[in-house]
Amino acid sequence: NAGVMQNPRHLVRRRGQEARLRCSPMKGHSHVYWYRQLPEEGLKFMVYLQKENIIDESGMPKERFSAEFPKEGPSILRIQQVVRGDSAAYFCASSPGFGKYPLHFGNGTRLTVT
Amino acid sequence: GESVGLHLPTLSVQEGDNSIINCAYSNSASDYFIWYKQESGKGPQFIIDIRSNMDKRQGQRVTVLLNKTVKHLSLQIAATQPGDSAVYFCAENIIQGAQKLVFGQGTRLTINP
Repeated sequence: NAGVMQNPRHLVRRRGQEARLRCSPMKGHSHVYWYRQLPEEGLKFMVYLQKENIIDESGMPKERFSAEFPKEGPSILRIQQVVRGDSAAYFCASSPGFGKYPLHFGNGTRLTVT
Repeated sequence: GESVGLHLPTLSVQEGDNSIINCAYSNSASDYFIWYKQESGKGPQFIIDIRSNMDKRQGQRVTVLLNKTVKHLSLQIAATQPGDSAVYFCAENIIQGAQKLVFGQGTRLTINP
């Protein structure tokens, strides 16, 4: 079985551009989570989504960041007008449902803003 | 060897020795705890988890101990191997069922030959 798939693995953007990060959950999983990791730090929760529904976005910055998980296709984390401080590794995790542990993580997208 | 969680983020042990990685968690209401292993350039890989109604759980070469009185979690790795070298994170679930994990800083484990 394929695990959580994220692409691209590496993404370089200039300041002011948009970054789109994709996440395909494990087969049969309908819940997706996005986390951000700065170098030498632990992961920080950003957002929790079900298909077509945002459950908890309390970790998302108020501006420039958005996430979606459409009925068909991967979950997308979108960062508009990127700044250098957005440079980080972004990880997606999935689970089959509410309260179903553990979360399974993908290998992340490393975003570098130049 | 033994680390004291967030205050000693690096732990070096000899191959074949046992290692203990400690973690202090923050929320007494957390109901679920998990240890992840992260190798360079990869995502966190599940090692072992434990619910708050337990105080010990064993896996293959790994044991997790939970002390709710002092809000302390530890990961014991028996007979360490070179492949165990990685950063280890503890995480707690602060809202029941929501899987909103709060991660610790991490401990870098290095296995010396």
